[in-house]
Amino acid sequence: QKEVEQNSGPLSVPEGAIASLNCTYSDRGSQSFFWYRQYSGKSPELIMFIYSNGDKEDGRFTAQLNKASQYVSLLIRDSQPSDSATYLCAVSRFNAGNNRKLIWGLGTSLAVNP
Amino acid sequence: GAVVSQHPSWVICKSGTSVKIECRSLDFQATTMFWYRQFPKQSLMLMATSNEGSKATYEQGVEKDKFLINHASLTLSTLTVTSAHPEDSSFYICSARDLEGRGFDTGELFFGEGSRLTVL
Repeated sequence: QKEVEQNSGPLSVPEGAIASLNCTYSDRGSQSFFWYRQYSGKSPELIMFIYSNGDKEDGRFTAQLNKASQYVSLLIRDSQPSDSATYLCAVSRFNAGNNRKLIWGLGTSLAVNP
Repeated sequence: GAVVSQHPSWVICKSGTSVKIECRSLDFQATTMFWYRQFPKQSLMLMATSNEGSKATYEQGVEKDKFLINHASLTLSTLTVTSAHPEDSSFYICSARDLEGRGFDTGELFFGEGSRLTVL
């Protein structure tokens, strides 16, 4: 079982619709959860982070965390063609050197169709 | 926001040669830099964590002698791929956190643009 799992997609939604991206993680001790967007050939860019159970909203984006079920999701409202990208879920934990590090999912490819 | 510059953005080299990739924090001091590798359609894999002035901490399975990391100053870290082979062809990405702790605790890793290495 991968530590962070995402459906690779592609997820295809029409413009203006809500895109729902899901992520599950295996380490119950994980505390911080992040969503990044990565365009092809580019580095990731942070969209949102969430620590507490529940919802966190920022503009068109809402992150949802359920620690009991070990999943975190990202909702994108009013999807735009420019939202078409790969969305990476990441979870933080400590490595052998007691440095915190991020564990990344494979990403979900999102295509927003005009 | 904080800017991290990575150079070169792409490089092609012959098998057996060494390649150096630079990662610079342009407007802040980076106490910690992270080096990632990403193969096509794969997730980011952390290779090592480097702290300024000390030895890098490598992830399990990453060869220290093959991937040399130097973080000699608060604004520069370098990754040298020694005796590169075609299987080392990948997208290498660095990221950084600053003295105040920004760049990780809130998830705001400041990423470089990435370096695409192709070994022939």
